[in-house]
Amino acid sequence: DTGVSQDPRHKITKRGQNVTFRCDPISEHNRLYWYRQTLGQGPEFLTYFQNEAQLEKSRLLSDRFSAERPKGSFSTLEIQRTEQGDSAMYLCASSLGFSEQYFGPGTRLTVT
Amino acid sequence: ELKVEQNPLFLSMQEGKNYTIYCNYSTTSDRLYWYRQDPGKSLESLFVLLSNGAVKQEGRLMASLDTKARLSTLHITAAVHDLSATYFCAADSGTYKYIFGTGTRLKVLA
Repeated sequence: DTGVSQDPRHKITKRGQNVTFRCDPISEHNRLYWYRQTLGQGPEFLTYFQNEAQLEKSRLLSDRFSAERPKGSFSTLEIQRTEQGDSAMYLCASSLGFSEQYFGPGTRLTVT
Repeated sequence: ELKVEQNPLFLSMQEGKNYTIYCNYSTTSDRLYWYRQDPGKSLESLFVLLSNGAVKQEGRLMASLDTKARLSTLHITAAVHDLSATYFCAADSGTYKYIFGTGTRLKVLA
C-alpha cells in the first residue's frame, strides 16, 4: 500500500491552455474523489467516482472541467481553457466504500 | 445542506499553553474528521471520530465529538512550536463527500 499518488505535483500554465492531472488511488479502493482547495480555504468537493462511474459533479465543476476514471483505477481531471481563478491545489482522495478517505499530496496549479 | 464552521480562524498562542478549537456543523453527521495541513502540503489525518461521545488522543492533541450538540473540539495541551499548522475539521453527512470547515491557522510562539 503506497498511498494515493498524484501527478504532477506542480503545474504552471498560461491562461487559455489545457491541463490534465492524474490520480492513482490506493489499489483496492473503489471510490475516488476530487477536491479543490484555494488559498486560505478548506477543500471543496468537486466530483466522485464509484469504480468507473462518475456519480456526482459539484456545481463548482464548470463545463471546462472533465474527469474520468476509465477502468475504475486511476483518474484524470482535465481543465480546458484555464482561467486565473482555476489556480488552486487539486486534491484526490480514495476510500473503500464509505470508509475514511485518504488524501494524496495534491497538484498545485498556477495559471498566469 | 451540511455546513461546517470552525473557530477561531486564527490562533496565536504561547508555548506551554492550552487551547481548544471548535467545530460546529449544521445537520446530522455521525462522522467527524480532523486534519492537519502544513503550508503547501496536503492533508494529514489526525483523528476519525465515529460516534457520539468519542474521544481520541494523540500526544498533545485530543479530539472529541458530541453529535447531539453537533460539536467537535480539538484540544491542545502544552503547545509546542511543532504544532504550528492549519487544522481542519470535516463532517461526513452520510453520503460520500466531506464538508470541510474553513480551517484554524495555529501559530505557537516560543
